[in-house]
Amino acid sequence: DGGITQSPKYLFRKEGQNVTLSCEQNLNHDAMYWYRQDPGQGLRLIYYSQIVNDFQKGDIAEGYSVSREKKESFPLTVTSAQKNPTAFYLCASSRGPSYTFGSGTRLTVV
Amino acid sequence: AQRVTQPEKLLSVFKGAPVELKCNYSYSGSPELFWYVQYSRQRLQLLLRHISRESIKGFTADLNKGETSFHLKKPFAQEEDSAMYYCALRAGGGADGLTFGKGTHLIIQP
Repeated sequence: DGGITQSPKYLFRKEGQNVTLSCEQNLNHDAMYWYRQDPGQGLRLIYYSQIVNDFQKGDIAEGYSVSREKKESFPLTVTSAQKNPTAFYLCASSRGPSYTFGSGTRLTVV
Repeated sequence: AQRVTQPEKLLSVFKGAPVELKCNYSYSGSPELFWYVQYSRQRLQLLLRHISRESIKGFTADLNKGETSFHLKKPFAQEEDSAMYYCALRAGGGADGLTFGKGTHLIIQP
């Protein structure tokens, strides 16, 4: 059964710590994306990757980092430089106009 | 840069009444427009694409290039239509992902 898996579902982080969110897909999609979803803000693009070993900043990349060492995986690190990290994070992958979204990770900074 | 505007944060209608969720966009090229829906506790999923010109769950949307709009319509709302609806634009080949509006929370009252 193909799809995107995001883990964990809920994540708590202390201020000043880095944390990495996992995103794995078995759809054989080349492109992968990270979005941040805040109430009243819609989805905003953090980073995207069109192919392995290449990625580009989105609209709100500051305080985040990514890697794309494998086609299936696109982990997102929320660094201590991100001023307001508490949010819902969505991962997606695509082939052409067909996008598939993960179930999301809710990150809370305590 | 492209932009998608959904002017209504919240729309409440009675069951059986017509529904129209507004979406306007700005983009200098020829865009692809989409409507995505997120039901409570479910993943974001595609509702329809302007290229398909199809009706899904009774919803339709027509791309009006003159008015740069892609409004979502349904003649008779049902309670199960209650959800968050996002209009999205894919620009010029889609290399940099989808641009989303801020979303409209649709509530269908019994």
